Amino acid sequence: NAGVMQNPRHLVRRRGQEARLRCSPMKGHSHVYWYRQLPEEGLKFMVYLQKENIIDESGMPKERFSAEFPKEGPSILRIQQVVRGDSAAYFCASSPKPREYQETQYFGPGTRLLVL
Amino acid sequence: SQKIEQNSEALNIQEGKTATLTCNYTNYSPAYLQWYRQDPGRGPVFLLLIRENEKEKRKERLKVTFDTTLKQSLFHITASQPADSATYLCALDNDDYKLSFGAGTTVTVRA
Repeated sequence: NAGVMQNPRHLVRRRGQEARLRCSPMKGHSHVYWYRQLPEEGLKFMVYLQKENIIDESGMPKERFSAEFPKEGPSILRIQQVVRGDSAAYFCASSPKPREYQETQYFGPGTRLLVL
Repeated sequence: SQKIEQNSEALNIQEGKTATLTCNYTNYSPAYLQWYRQDPGRGPVFLLLIRENEKEKRKERLKVTFDTTLKQSLFHITASQPADSATYLCALDNDDYKLSFGAGTTVTVRA
């Protein structure tokens, strides 16, 4: 059973470009969570999605950031017009049931975004 | 404001000794506290979860304590091995999906 997959593992963008980060949850998992980890800081919750629904995006910046989890295909975190401050590691996690059923979140390897 | 603080200094210990890591928090009332391991270039891997009404939890060579009065959790790795070298993260869990993580403590076990 493959774990959570994220790609690309490393992404370099110039200021003003768009970054698209992809996350394929574990097989059988329909709940996806995105976190961001800045250097020397803890992971910060960004958004929680179920298939075709955004459940909670309270941790996501209001502008330039969007996320989706379509019926088919991976979850996508999209950052438009990237700035240097967006440089970070972005982690995706998945769980088979909603978290309130005490399901552990399984994390992917992360995408390291560097904005030049 | 809410804060989660882990040992600010990295921990260097001799193989066979016990590593003790601290996680202190303020302005949180977590229902659970979790510990994860993170290796360089990898995502966090879940290790242990302890509930607010539990004082202690063990799993093989790992032991976690949780003191909601002190607002502190201690994480112990007994009989440490070089393979235990990693960064260890504590995460507060309010019984929803938003885990709140500390910055982590890096442990290096010398052979």
